[in-house]
Amino acid sequence: DAGVTQSPTHLIKTRGQQVTLRCSPKSGHDTVSWYQQALGQGPQFIFQYYEEEERQRGNFPDRFSGHQFPNYSSELNVNALLLGDSALYLCASSLPGSRFTDTQYFGPGTRLTVL
Amino acid sequence: AQKITQTQPGMFVQEKEAVTLDCTYDTSDPSYGLFWYKQPSSGEMIFLIYQGSYDQQNATEGRYSLNFQKARKSANLVISASQLGDSAMYFCAMREGGSGGGADGLTFGKGTHLIIQP
Repeated sequence: DAGVTQSPTHLIKTRGQQVTLRCSPKSGHDTVSWYQQALGQGPQFIFQYYEEEERQRGNFPDRFSGHQFPNYSSELNVNALLLGDSALYLCASSLPGSRFTDTQYFGPGTRLTVL
Repeated sequence: AQKITQTQPGMFVQEKEAVTLDCTYDTSDPSYGLFWYKQPSSGEMIFLIYQGSYDQQNATEGRYSLNFQKARKSANLVISASQLGDSAMYFCAMREGGSGGGADGLTFGKGTHLIIQP
C-alpha cells in the first residue's frame, strides 16, 4: 500500500522565481492538504483540496496556489519567491470523513531553499 | 493566543524509561480532534495517536497512550518503555469541528525534541 509521495525531494530557487511541488495521496484517499514548516517550527496549514476544489485555506498570501487533478494528486505553486519561503513543504492526505476525526497522513516533504 | 502549547522544547530520557510529553490546547469548539505526530530527522510526519473530544476513554496505540484531561484542556502523550528509535521531534496538533463549511487544517504546536539516551 503506497503512502503519500512528494516530488522533488529538494529544490533550490532564487528570489522572484516560481516553483511547483507535487503530491500523490495515499491509496484510497481523496483529500489533500499542504503545510509549510519553517526551521524549528511546527507545520502551518496552507490549504486543502477536495474534489478538485480548494476547500479551506490558512493565512497564506495569494502567491500560494494549488490544483488537484481527477486522480486526486495535487500541486502547490508558489510565485514570486521570497527568502522567507524557504521551508519544508509537507503534503498530507486523508479520507473525506468527519472533519475533526479524520487522520491526515503525511509525505516525506519537499525542502525548498530560496537564495 | 496559541491554540496548541508544548512547553518542553527538549527532553533527555534514559532508554526503557517512560516519558510524558506535555500538550495543552485552547478552543471554544465542543467538537475537536487531537493528534500526536513524530518527526524524525528525515522530515516525514508519522501519525501516532488520535483522541476525539467526545471520546470517553483515553486513546492507546501500542506503547503510546494519550492522557486526555478535558477540563484542563490537556492531551499529554505517554511513551512507555522508551527506545533509542523514539528520538525525534514530537508534535501535538488539533483540528476543530467548527460550524462553517469544509474541513479545517491541523494546528500544530512548536514541538518537543525528545532524545533517548542509552
